[in-house]
Amino acid sequence: DAGITQSPRHKVTETGTPVTLRCHQTENHRYMYWYRQDPGHGLRLIHYSYGVKDTDKGEVSDGYSVSRSKTEDFLLTLESATSSQTSVYFCAISERDQTGPLHFGNGTRLTVT
Amino acid sequence: LAKTTQPISMDSYEGQEVNITCSHNNIATNDYITWYQQFPSQGPRFIIQGYKTKVTNEVASLFIPADRKSSTLSLPRVSLSDTAVYYCLVGEDTGRRALTFGSGTRLQVQP
Repeated sequence: DAGITQSPRHKVTETGTPVTLRCHQTENHRYMYWYRQDPGHGLRLIHYSYGVKDTDKGEVSDGYSVSRSKTEDFLLTLESATSSQTSVYFCAISERDQTGPLHFGNGTRLTVT
Repeated sequence: LAKTTQPISMDSYEGQEVNITCSHNNIATNDYITWYQQFPSQGPRFIIQGYKTKVTNEVASLFIPADRKSSTLSLPRVSLSDTAVYYCLVGEDTGRRALTFGSGTRLQVQP
């Protein structure tokens, strides 16, 4: 398996609190992604990164921010968590530029109460 | 972005061949087609990738017609462990990737 670690694996938080999810890779890949997965919606892209300090929005970026200060770490922050952000969050890395398959982490299950 | 369309669900029996088709009418010249498998409580797992014609590996085959507006994932002799959701993904090649998954196809294999 590609060296991807997501932390925490599970988190319960209250509405209005900030939450940061971490994705750590040991593969030195350039591209990293954050997805959320909800029943009936498949995987939806939140944000992605194409290099250190280079990020862009995906299709469901509202309420989320990201940072990538090092190649190996991609952080996803919910500035003020809402119940609609209860979801399973997956990080992925890309093996090669443009055409490389994605390798996914095992996910973070976030519950906002 | 090249959007994809797949059947929502499919049923099969053990030992049968399963073909899942994905439509991607807006595929760009440099886009590759990639298929993933996902089991409950796990992240998607890469199955196969292709650009044109046919690609085969140890678990599946991928058929892509000349116009590349669709692709078919073929799983030979499925088993119960192939019960999963299968996603077709078409890459955007602009130097910055923004890959979005469709809803996937839920394959149920019965004994």
